Amino acid sequence: NAGVTQTPKFRVLKTGQSMTLLCAQDMNHEYMYWYRQDPGMGLRLIHYSVGEGTTAKGEVPDGYNVSRLKKQNFLLGLESAAPSQTSVYFCASVGLAGPKYNEQFFGPGTRLTVL
Amino acid sequence: GNSVTQMEGPVTLSEEAFLTINCTYTATGYPSLFWYVQYPGEGLQLLLKATKADDKGSNKGFEATYRKETTSFHLEKGSVQVSDSAVYFCALRPSDGQNFVFGPGTRLSVLP
Repeated sequence: NAGVTQTPKFRVLKTGQSMTLLCAQDMNHEYMYWYRQDPGMGLRLIHYSVGEGTTAKGEVPDGYNVSRLKKQNFLLGLESAAPSQTSVYFCASVGLAGPKYNEQFFGPGTRLTVL
Repeated sequence: GNSVTQMEGPVTLSEEAFLTINCTYTATGYPSLFWYVQYPGEGLQLLLKATKADDKGSNKGFEATYRKETTSFHLEKGSVQVSDSAVYFCALRPSDGQNFVFGPGTRLSVLP
């Protein structure tokens, strides 16, 4: 049981390049989230999904797109990277039922630098 | 709207000192409340939670009590260790919502 995994762990992009961050969970969770973490600002929600095939905008969605084609995977895309997107990105998931209902499980993070 | 306020850090303590990190929240209804911990270079891990008023969450010597009357969920530990050095996040999940709201985090450093 790997929990929540993220790929890649580190990435350096040039302004204007694109990339996709992959999040995978093996706990059969319905809800998945993408956050960014910046110094002194805590976690800010980018996009989230309440189930396969559904996505919704969070607090800071501009410049990002997401897809949830399979229940276990949640992809975050940057179409044209900007220096303001330099951050650490965390994926998380939550189940709908069971003893750990309401508990978010986080991945280890992806550190992205945009030059 | 929903929000979480935490005491600003960093907090620096000596080993075996008593720890309190204050957390207050604004939310309608009865949110679930959480404390998460983030060790250097890692993702967040759930430390403890409480889902209704007067519930006490506890784990690894840490405790927090859900106080509806003061809208607070302060984190306490009687005797901190160097290994407790981390960033601590208070968070809530509204009773009628799907998304979590996090505080800005409080960095704790424990010196030997």
